[in-house]
Amino acid sequence: QVQLQESGPGLVKPSGTLSLTCAVSGDSISSTNWWSWVRQPPGRGLEWIGEIFLGGSTNYNPSLKSRVTISVDNSKNRFSLTLSSVTAADTAVYYCARATLFGGNMGEKYFDYWGQGTLVTVSS
Amino acid sequence: QSVLTQPPSVSAAPGQKVTISCSGSISNIGINFLSWYQQLPGAAPKVLIYDNTKRPSGIPDRFSASKSGTSATLGITGLQTGDEADYYCGTWDSSLSAVVFGGGTKLTVL
Repeated sequence: QVQLQESGPGLVKPSGTLSLTCAVSGDSISSTNWWSWVRQPPGRGLEWIGEIFLGGSTNYNPSLKSRVTISVDNSKNRFSLTLSSVTAADTAVYYCARATLFGGNMGEKYFDYWGQGTLVTVSS
Repeated sequence: QSVLTQPPSVSAAPGQKVTISCSGSISNIGINFLSWYQQLPGAAPKVLIYDNTKRPSGIPDRFSASKSGTSATLGITGLQTGDEADYYCGTWDSSLSAVVFGGGTKLTVL
Protein backbone atom coordinates (compact mmCIF):
# COMPACT_ATOMS: atom_id res chain seq x y z
CA GLN A 1 0.00 0.00 0.00
CA VAL A 2 1.40 3.34 -1.07
CA GLN A 3 1.49 6.00 1.63
CA LEU A 4 2.57 9.63 1.51
CA GLN A 5 3.23 11.82 4.55
CA GLU A 6 3.86 15.55 4.50
CA SER A 7 6.04 17.24 7.09
CA GLY A 8 7.35 20.73 7.72
CA PRO A 9 6.74 23.96 9.66
CA GLY A 10 3.12 24.92 10.19
CA LEU A 11 3.93 28.62 10.41
CA VAL A 12 6.02 30.71 8.04
CA LYS A 13 6.67 34.44 8.21
CA PRO A 14 5.69 36.73 5.32
CA SER A 15 8.47 37.10 2.74
CA GLY A 16 10.01 33.87 4.04
CA THR A 17 10.37 30.47 2.39
CA LEU A 18 7.97 27.58 2.84
CA SER A 19 9.64 24.17 2.86
CA LEU A 20 7.80 20.85 3.00
CA THR A 21 8.84 17.24 2.56
CA CYS A 22 6.79 14.25 1.49
CA ALA A 23 7.94 10.83 2.66
CA VAL A 24 6.89 8.00 0.36
CA SER A 25 6.42 4.37 1.37
CA GLY A 26 5.18 1.44 -0.67
CA ASP A 27 6.65 2.80 -3.92
CA SER A 28 9.99 4.05 -5.12
CA ILE A 29 10.43 7.75 -5.77
CA SER A 30 12.38 6.56 -8.83
CA SER A 31 9.39 4.73 -10.30
CA THR A 32 7.62 5.90 -13.44
CA ASN A 33 5.11 8.03 -11.58
CA TRP A 34 4.83 11.79 -11.23
CA TRP A 35 5.19 13.17 -7.70
CA SER A 36 3.13 16.30 -7.13
CA TRP A 37 2.20 19.05 -4.73
CA VAL A 38 -1.35 20.39 -4.55
CA ARG A 39 -2.64 23.04 -2.15
CA GLN A 40 -6.03 24.15 -0.91
CA PRO A 41 -6.56 27.55 0.75
CA PRO A 42 -9.07 27.43 3.61
CA GLY A 43 -12.60 27.08 2.26
CA ARG A 44 -11.43 27.08 -1.35
CA GLY A 45 -10.65 24.67 -4.17
CA LEU A 46 -7.62 22.64 -5.20
CA GLU A 47 -4.64 24.32 -6.83
CA TRP A 48 -1.88 22.28 -8.46
CA ILE A 49 1.59 23.54 -7.61
CA GLY A 50 3.88 21.30 -9.61
CA GLU A 51 5.38 17.86 -10.15
CA ILE A 52 8.61 15.96 -10.63
CA PHE A 53 9.39 12.78 -12.60
CA LEU A 54 12.26 10.34 -12.27
CA GLY A 55 14.08 12.80 -10.07
CA GLY A 56 14.64 15.30 -12.83
CA SER A 57 11.88 16.53 -15.10
CA THR A 58 9.61 19.11 -13.52
CA ASN A 59 6.46 21.02 -14.42
CA TYR A 60 5.16 23.96 -12.42
CA ASN A 61 1.97 25.98 -12.23
CA PRO A 62 2.71 29.04 -14.40
CA SER A 63 1.29 31.34 -11.72
CA LEU A 64 3.78 30.02 -9.13
CA LYS A 65 6.71 29.02 -11.31
CA SER A 66 8.98 31.90 -10.35
CA ARG A 67 8.77 30.97 -6.66
CA VAL A 68 8.58 27.14 -6.68
CA THR A 69 11.16 24.38 -6.65
CA ILE A 70 10.38 20.66 -6.36
CA SER A 71 13.21 18.21 -5.79
CA VAL A 72 13.74 14.59 -4.80
CA ASP A 73 15.99 12.78 -2.35
CA ASN A 74 16.35 9.28 -3.77
CA SER A 75 18.35 8.03 -0.78
CA LYS A 76 15.45 8.84 1.57
CA ASN A 77 12.66 8.11 -0.90
CA ARG A 78 11.08 11.50 -0.49
CA PHE A 79 10.45 14.69 -2.42
CA SER A 80 10.29 18.30 -1.33
CA LEU A 81 8.66 21.62 -2.04
CA THR A 82 10.10 25.07 -1.53
CA LEU A 83 8.02 28.20 -2.12
CA SER A 84 9.78 31.52 -1.71
CA SER A 85 8.57 35.04 -0.93
CA VAL A 86 5.39 33.81 0.71
CA THR A 87 2.42 36.00 1.59
CA ALA A 88 -0.84 35.40 3.41
CA ALA A 89 -2.27 34.20 0.09
CA ASP A 90 -0.03 31.14 0.38
CA THR A 91 -1.81 29.99 3.54
CA ALA A 92 -3.28 26.61 2.67
CA VAL A 93 -3.40 22.90 3.32
CA TYR A 94 -0.56 21.44 1.26
CA TYR A 95 -0.95 17.90 -0.11
CA CYS A 96 1.62 15.70 -1.73
CA ALA A 97 0.25 13.20 -4.22
CA ARG A 98 1.29 10.50 -6.67
CA ALA A 99 0.10 10.78 -10.25
CA THR A 100 0.11 7.43 -11.99
CA LEU A 101 0.42 7.13 -15.74
CA PHE A 102 -2.07 5.00 -17.65
CA GLY A 103 -0.75 5.99 -21.07
CA GLY A 104 2.25 7.50 -22.77
CA ASN A 105 1.20 11.16 -22.80
CA MET A 106 1.23 13.85 -20.12
CA GLY A 107 -2.55 13.99 -20.17
CA GLU A 108 -2.83 10.30 -19.38
CA LYS A 109 -2.37 10.36 -15.63
CA TYR A 110 -4.38 10.87 -12.47
CA PHE A 111 -3.78 11.28 -8.75
CA ASP A 112 -4.25 7.90 -7.10
CA TYR A 113 -2.56 8.43 -3.75
CA TRP A 114 -2.59 11.52 -1.54
CA GLY A 115 -1.02 12.48 1.75
CA GLN A 116 -3.29 13.60 4.58
CA GLY A 117 -2.28 17.23 4.04
CA THR A 118 -0.55 19.74 6.27
CA LEU A 119 -1.75 23.24 7.08
CA VAL A 120 0.79 25.98 6.52
CA THR A 121 -0.08 29.44 7.80
CA VAL A 122 1.79 32.53 6.64
CA SER A 123 1.74 35.08 9.42
CA SER A 124 4.06 37.25 11.44
CA GLN B 1 -10.93 31.83 -11.57
CA SER B 2 -10.45 28.14 -12.36
CA VAL B 3 -9.53 26.89 -15.84
CA LEU B 4 -12.28 24.27 -15.60
CA THR B 5 -15.80 25.41 -14.74
CA GLN B 6 -18.05 23.55 -12.32
CA PRO B 7 -21.30 24.61 -10.65
CA PRO B 8 -20.64 25.73 -7.06
CA SER B 9 -23.30 23.47 -5.62
CA VAL B 10 -25.86 20.78 -6.40
CA SER B 11 -28.38 19.02 -4.24
CA ALA B 12 -30.76 16.10 -4.37
CA ALA B 13 -32.67 13.80 -2.07
CA PRO B 14 -31.40 10.44 -0.80
CA GLY B 15 -31.85 7.71 -3.37
CA GLN B 16 -32.05 10.17 -6.25
CA LYS B 17 -29.54 10.91 -9.01
CA VAL B 18 -27.41 14.00 -9.45
CA THR B 19 -25.07 15.19 -12.18
CA ILE B 20 -22.11 17.57 -11.92
CA SER B 21 -20.79 19.29 -15.00
CA CYS B 22 -17.23 20.29 -15.86
CA SER B 23 -16.52 22.60 -18.77
CA GLY B 24 -13.16 23.43 -20.29
CA SER B 25 -11.49 23.99 -23.63
CA ILE B 26 -9.72 22.22 -26.46
CA SER B 27 -6.35 22.38 -24.72
CA ASN B 28 -7.53 20.56 -21.61
CA ILE B 29 -10.71 18.47 -21.69
CA GLY B 30 -10.79 18.52 -25.47
CA ILE B 31 -7.58 16.57 -26.01
CA ASN B 32 -6.68 15.14 -22.62
CA PHE B 33 -8.15 12.73 -20.12
CA LEU B 34 -10.36 13.83 -17.26
CA SER B 35 -10.43 12.55 -13.71
CA TRP B 36 -12.91 13.21 -10.93
CA TYR B 37 -12.17 13.46 -7.21
CA GLN B 38 -14.32 13.31 -4.09
CA GLN B 39 -13.24 15.27 -1.04
CA LEU B 40 -15.10 14.43 2.15
CA PRO B 41 -15.04 17.08 4.90
CA GLY B 42 -11.62 17.28 6.50
CA ALA B 43 -10.10 14.62 4.23
CA ALA B 44 -7.77 14.47 1.28
CA PRO B 45 -9.26 14.09 -2.20
CA LYS B 46 -9.94 10.58 -3.47
CA VAL B 47 -10.13 9.56 -7.12
CA LEU B 48 -13.52 8.39 -8.35
CA ILE B 49 -12.98 8.38 -12.11
CA TYR B 50 -9.91 8.44 -14.37
CA ASP B 51 -9.38 8.23 -18.12
CA ASN B 52 -12.72 10.04 -18.59
CA THR B 53 -14.95 7.13 -17.62
CA LYS B 54 -13.03 4.45 -15.71
CA ARG B 55 -13.52 3.63 -12.04
CA PRO B 56 -10.59 2.48 -9.88
CA SER B 57 -11.18 -0.74 -8.00
CA GLY B 58 -13.32 -0.21 -4.95
CA ILE B 59 -15.37 2.68 -6.40
CA PRO B 60 -19.03 1.63 -6.66
CA ASP B 61 -20.81 1.72 -9.99
CA ARG B 62 -23.16 4.36 -8.57
CA PHE B 63 -20.47 6.73 -9.80
CA SER B 64 -20.17 7.19 -13.56
CA ALA B 65 -18.86 9.81 -15.95
CA SER B 66 -18.99 10.85 -19.55
CA LYS B 67 -17.16 13.29 -21.80
CA SER B 68 -18.16 15.05 -24.97
CA GLY B 69 -15.97 17.60 -26.70
CA THR B 70 -14.80 20.12 -24.11
CA SER B 71 -17.29 19.17 -21.40
CA ALA B 72 -17.77 16.28 -19.01
CA THR B 73 -20.30 15.08 -16.50
CA LEU B 74 -20.09 13.09 -13.30
CA GLY B 75 -23.23 11.18 -12.33
CA ILE B 76 -24.06 9.75 -8.95
CA THR B 77 -27.08 7.48 -8.51
CA GLY B 78 -28.70 6.13 -5.38
CA LEU B 79 -27.53 9.13 -3.36
CA GLN B 80 -26.52 8.52 0.24
CA THR B 81 -25.85 11.00 3.00
CA GLY B 82 -22.26 9.79 2.94
CA ASP B 83 -21.91 11.19 -0.57
CA GLU B 84 -22.04 14.74 0.80
CA ALA B 85 -18.68 16.11 -0.23
CA ASP B 86 -16.90 18.44 -2.62
CA TYR B 87 -16.29 17.06 -6.09
CA TYR B 88 -13.50 18.21 -8.42
CA CYS B 89 -12.69 17.54 -12.04
CA GLY B 90 -9.07 17.72 -13.16
CA THR B 91 -6.94 17.18 -16.22
CA TRP B 92 -3.75 18.21 -18.01
CA ASP B 93 -3.78 21.44 -19.98
CA SER B 94 -1.48 21.15 -22.97
CA SER B 95 -1.28 24.92 -23.53
CA LEU B 96 -0.32 25.66 -19.94
CA SER B 97 1.74 22.46 -19.48
CA ALA B 98 0.02 22.17 -16.13
CA VAL B 99 -2.58 20.18 -14.24
CA VAL B 100 -5.81 22.15 -13.90
CA PHE B 101 -8.78 21.60 -11.61
CA GLY B 102 -12.33 22.81 -11.56
CA GLY B 103 -13.41 25.09 -8.75
CA GLY B 104 -15.25 22.25 -7.05
CA THR B 105 -18.93 21.43 -6.56
CA LYS B 106 -20.46 20.96 -3.13
CA LEU B 107 -23.00 18.15 -3.09
CA THR B 108 -25.74 18.31 -0.51
CA VAL B 109 -27.96 15.29 0.03
CA LEU B 110 -31.17 16.75 1.41
